[in-house]
Amino acid sequence: ETGVTQTPRHLVMGMTNKKSLKCEQHLGHNAMYWYKQSAKKPLELMFVYNFKEQTENNSVPSRFSPECPNSSHLFLHLHTLQPEDSALYLCASSPQDGGVNEQFFGPGTRLTVL
Amino acid sequence: KNEVEQSPQNLTAQEGEFITINCSYSVGISALHWLQQHPGGGIVSLFMLSSGKKKHGRLIATINIQEKHSSLHITASHPRDSAVYICAVWEGAQKLVFGQGTRLTINP
Repeated sequence: ETGVTQTPRHLVMGMTNKKSLKCEQHLGHNAMYWYKQSAKKPLELMFVYNFKEQTENNSVPSRFSPECPNSSHLFLHLHTLQPEDSALYLCASSPQDGGVNEQFFGPGTRLTVL
Repeated sequence: KNEVEQSPQNLTAQEGEFITINCSYSVGISALHWLQQHPGGGIVSLFMLSSGKKKHGRLIATINIQEKHSSLHITASHPRDSAVYICAVWEGAQKLVFGQGTRLTINP
């Protein structure tokens, strides 16, 4: 238990669906991250929020839309996804972004797009 | 070519064996992070280090900044050590860059 929770743990959706992934951290951190992990590839950073402000968008397609209403919650809204978007989506948090700060990861949401 | 390369990509060993996983990187770094990912997907931080050596239980991590190389060692390996081990480096203290992971299987 790392203090970072993600729901749902598994999600199957069609290409026309709209769904949201949720991440919550109980560590009092100020930075939150979304990562994508595809099979046989390194983790890819998608978005960074620092003190609720988005500080990084790593050229992510607009069908992925993040939302950070406060420092403890992070959402990833999904719409009109493609089968190649099937992956494990991991959320992480750290005391703040910038500088060397240990990141704490959630258990991930395994997404399958049909 | 990835900025962070791990070897081997897959490793199978018998219980009790001494395990070494290597990480080489090509960029200037501020620190290096070893992570463990179990089959369910969750990632746990094992070590953060910027020089020398750190030990925690049966795990030892070393780093050689001049040679841009780090190793993760597991002594007296056990089936519960089976996981994917990931090396990540802080590039210029701004960006965390990940290796592709090493899948370790320890057979009883």
